[in-house]
Amino acid sequence: NAGVTQTPKFRILKIGQSMTLQCAQDMNHNYMYWYRQDPGMGLKLIYYSVGAGITDKGEVPNGYNVSRSTTEDFPLRLELAAPSQTSVYFCASRGFGNTEAFFGQGTRLTVV
Amino acid sequence: GEDVEQSLFLSVREGDSSVINCTYTDSSSTYLYWYKQEPGAGLQLLTYIFSNMDMKQDQRLTVLLNKKDKHLSLRIADTQTGDSAIYFCAESISGGYNKLIFGAGTRLAVHP
Repeated sequence: NAGVTQTPKFRILKIGQSMTLQCAQDMNHNYMYWYRQDPGMGLKLIYYSVGAGITDKGEVPNGYNVSRSTTEDFPLRLELAAPSQTSVYFCASRGFGNTEAFFGQGTRLTVV
Repeated sequence: GEDVEQSLFLSVREGDSSVINCTYTDSSSTYLYWYKQEPGAGLQLLTYIFSNMDMKQDQRLTVLLNKKDKHLSLRIADTQTGDSAIYFCAESISGGYNKLIFGAGTRLAVHP
């Protein structure tokens, strides 16, 4: 049981490039979340989803897009990377009625 | 609004008790959580408390919830060097998509 898997672990992007951060969970969880963690700022919610085909904006959605075509996958898309998007990104999932959210190991993204 | 606040830093001597405090604003919170993050790692759930409880004890951990004041605390008894980490308070917002909102995290440093 892999839990929540994020890829890649590290990435350096140039300004204006695009990329997709992958997140997959094998626990059949309904809820999935994307957070970014900046130093001393804690975790900020970017987007979340309650199930396949349903997504909604969190606190800091600008510059990002998501899709949820399957229960397992919740990719996060950066279309035009900016230095302000340099951060560590965490994906999490939680089952309906479950109390615990499970986190991936994170993706460290640097935009130069 | 939805906001979770924590002090950013706590230093304790090994063997003493640590108390990490958190305040939240959303009165519709269903669950409140404490997560632990070690350097370079994702978040791991330490403990949680349902919003209709006042206290929960789990081995060295004691969670106190004052719902009237919207104040949550985590007490770690007999703090060890292995407890050095960042501790995040989080609330689960009821309704909608069960958003998880995190505080900025409290960095706990344990010294001999």
